[in-house]
Amino acid sequence: AQSVAQPEDQVNVAEGNPLTVKCTYSVSGNPYLFWYVQYPNRGLQFLLKYITGDNLVKGSYGFEAEFNKSQTSFHLKKPSALVSDSALYFCAVDNFNKFYFGSGTKLNVKP
Amino acid sequence: EAGVAQSPRYKIIEKRQSVAFWCNPISGHATLYWYQQILGQGPKLLIQFQNNGVVDDSQLPKDRFSAERLKGVDSTLKIQPAKLEDSAVYLCASSLDRFSGELFFGEGSRLTVL
Repeated sequence: AQSVAQPEDQVNVAEGNPLTVKCTYSVSGNPYLFWYVQYPNRGLQFLLKYITGDNLVKGSYGFEAEFNKSQTSFHLKKPSALVSDSALYFCAVDNFNKFYFGSGTKLNVKP
Repeated sequence: EAGVAQSPRYKIIEKRQSVAFWCNPISGHATLYWYQQILGQGPKLLIQFQNNGVVDDSQLPKDRFSAERLKGVDSTLKIQPAKLEDSAVYLCASSLDRFSGELFFGEGSRLTVL
């Protein structure tokens, strides 16, 4: 079965500390990988994507993600968290033009 | 550049009633998606259009859900009759084409079925 897993429902981090939001996938082929963010009562917003090339991709708002093919992971990272980063984060896989979303991870950044 | 527009933002109906949601994608975007997002879950694809043709509707409950994109621009998603489990946010998204990889989402239409 093809799927995207976000093992943590919630991640808590103090402002200024580094953050990691985990994502693993299980799809056939070489999928495209994405991270989206959702603020309360808003639609999803694109953060970054991995298509091919460098395993570390940089995106909006200082976020980056590391693709690891052997571990089939695509973890979202930021060196220094901001309170305004608090939101719901979704990992997504585009495999043969079908998008699969993970269940989401709520990020709480405390002052 | 205008984003993806959706209406209504909120809708409350009784079970067995019908409801329709409207979506206007970003100008020039050929691909349009409807997703269902139940509270606490990730978005689930209901239907994907390429221009006015259906690319994927494998997860659309066709006994009660229908969608159309007649002129390859606006789209309407209808539920008739609604069930309690249809309570969710219905998200519309668009992309330049099936291969661009980046989806642009509207703010969603929140449906509550009583």
